[in-house]
Amino acid sequence: KQEVTQIPAALSVPEGENLVLNCSFTDSAIYNLQWFRQDPGKGLTSLLLIQSSQREQTSGRLNASLDKSSGRSTLYIAASQPGDSATYLCAVMDYGQNFVFGPGTRLSVLP
Amino acid sequence: AAGVIQSPRHLIKEKRETATLKCYPIPRHDTVYWYQQGPGQDPQFLISFYEKMQSDKGSIPDRFSAQQFSDYHSELNMSSLELGDSALYFCASSRRGMDNEQFFGPGTRLTVL
Repeated sequence: KQEVTQIPAALSVPEGENLVLNCSFTDSAIYNLQWFRQDPGKGLTSLLLIQSSQREQTSGRLNASLDKSSGRSTLYIAASQPGDSATYLCAVMDYGQNFVFGPGTRLSVLP
Repeated sequence: AAGVIQSPRHLIKEKRETATLKCYPIPRHDTVYWYQQGPGQDPQFLISFYEKMQSDKGSIPDRFSAQQFSDYHSELNMSSLELGDSALYFCASSRRGMDNEQFFGPGTRLTVL
């Protein structure tokens, strides 16, 4: 059974710092991996989708990498801003269309 | 661009009542997923539908049922509600063959008193 973990559980940084969020999964037979952002009490916003055949995806200040063989993905946020404060969730989809979420990293960017 | 629509956005019910949540996927999306997110928890997959047929089943209680209709909208029916059913219920849609990227709706917040 696929298990997804995220480290750290919470992170507080001053504005302008570059930071890395980590996601690990136990079963490397994944179809894709998706990073989401969730604001308190709100819905999930898709940030980046990486197919199993890809190594990384970039969107603006965000870069996500995938190392399927080691069961890891990282989300890199450059020049963090207070508006980036949210919970960041990674989720992996297997070939059976099962989508498993990690517990999330709660990020606070201080002005 | 059109997004996933969920209704209602908020719902308050009493124990043992029933509730119906609706989801309208993005146009041309053929797959719908339902998730339950309890307070402080990560979303848990409940059930999915592809082309109006049940595709996969997660941790959905027997008291819940769901279906996808001919217009691709989906409804999650919840009966004999319990206090523990209080949660955010998300619907997501995707189009098979288009990366299967899931787009989430804003969620329905269900409170069971």
